[in-house]
This record gives sequence, structure tokens and C-alpha cells, in this order.
Amino acid sequence: DSGVTQTPKHLITATGQRVTLRCSPRSGDLSVYWYQQSLDQGLQFLIQYYNGEERAKGNILERFSAQQFPDLHSELNLSSLELGDSALYFCASSVAPGLNYGYTFGSGTRLTVV
Amino acid sequence: AQKVTQAQTEISVVEKEDVTLDCVYETRDTTYYLFWYKQPPSGELVFLIRRNSFDEQNEISGRYSWNFQKSTSSFNFTITASQVVDSAVYFCALSDVRMNSGYALNFGKGTSLLVTP
Repeated sequence: DSGVTQTPKHLITATGQRVTLRCSPRSGDLSVYWYQQSLDQGLQFLIQYYNGEERAKGNILERFSAQQFPDLHSELNLSSLELGDSALYFCASSVAPGLNYGYTFGSGTRLTVV
Repeated sequence: AQKVTQAQTEISVVEKEDVTLDCVYETRDTTYYLFWYKQPPSGELVFLIRRNSFDEQNEISGRYSWNFQKSTSSFNFTITASQVVDSAVYFCALSDVRMNSGYALNFGKGTSLLVTP
């Protein structure tokens, strides 16, 4: 157990729908990162939050949004879902936002859009 | 631009063979970190190693060893006496420092390693 908790583990939904993925970071970690792993794009960075504030943004679609709450858990919202959004979504956490700190991944949420 | 290349898409070896997974990177940063992660069939990403750009010493951890060569921008990973449990996809990643002290990891496409008995 890495200490990073992601729920749900699996999610099946229809095109056009909206889903929310949840991530609880390791105890003491203030920074949360979201990644998408798909067959065609590989592992891609989406977004990073540190103590509630957005710190870095990657190839995140406008249909996707995220936030980090005061208790430090984070949610990734995916809307107007398309078949191509089917992927494994990972959350990771670290103590601080900077380069000196490696981070730990959760076990992922597998999203299937049908 | 940041880039990580893992040229080997799939490797198949017989148990007890040694195997080296290649990783070549491109970066303009003078300070950066390189990582290796393992993704077994169960899907989670397991951290193996993190190395900063100022430390070119090779590292050994049990059957695993890493060879970092800044001159050739490579960070290769060797598994000695491979075992069936080593079967997984292995990813090399490079830190990508962003504005506002954020950073991301740029991952290679991964190398799928199959170890057969």
C-alpha cells in the first residue's frame, strides 16, 4: 500500500456523462498530481496542486478540471466524456512541490467510456 | 524540449538471464531528476529509483543496478539474474520543472519485459 488512495478503482460510464475521481494523498503530503495513462498517449501529466493552489498544468483538456480541498484530498472532474477518455488515471502525492521531492503514485482509477 | 526515449518496446528473456533496459533523455535544464518506475500487470506504478543530475555514481540495489551517463544522456537499468516476478512494464521518466515551482514527470513509452521460466 503506497499510502495514496484513489477511488473508485474502476468506473464504467457512457459518452457525454460526467464523473469525479477522488484522491487522498499520503499523510503529511501537501502536493497532489494527476496523470492519465492511455494506450496511444502513454503516461501524461495533467495537473498539480500544492496546499490547495494550482502549481503546474499539463495537457489537460478543457472538459477536465481538478481541485484540492482544505483537507488536501483532490478530485478530478471529467465531463462530456468521449470514448477516447478511456484510460487509467493516476494520482500521486509528495511533501512539497519542488524538485527535491520525489512522489508516490496511487493504484489508479480505470475509466471505461462506452 | 523534454523528451525520454525508451527504444526497446518489448524484451523477452529466460529466467536467470541479465537484461538491460535503455533510457535516453533530452533536456535543457541543468538540474533535473531521472526516475525509473515499474508497472506490473496489476497496474500500479512502483517507484524504483530517483537520481539527480549532479550524481553520476552508479547505483546497485540487490539485483537492480542503474548506469547514469551524462555524456550520452542515458540512464540505463539492468536486472541481474532475472526472475518471473520481474515481468512488467518499466518506465523511465525525467523531471520537467514548471513555473511557480511546480514540476511534472515526462515519461518514456515504457519497455515491456517478459521473463519466462
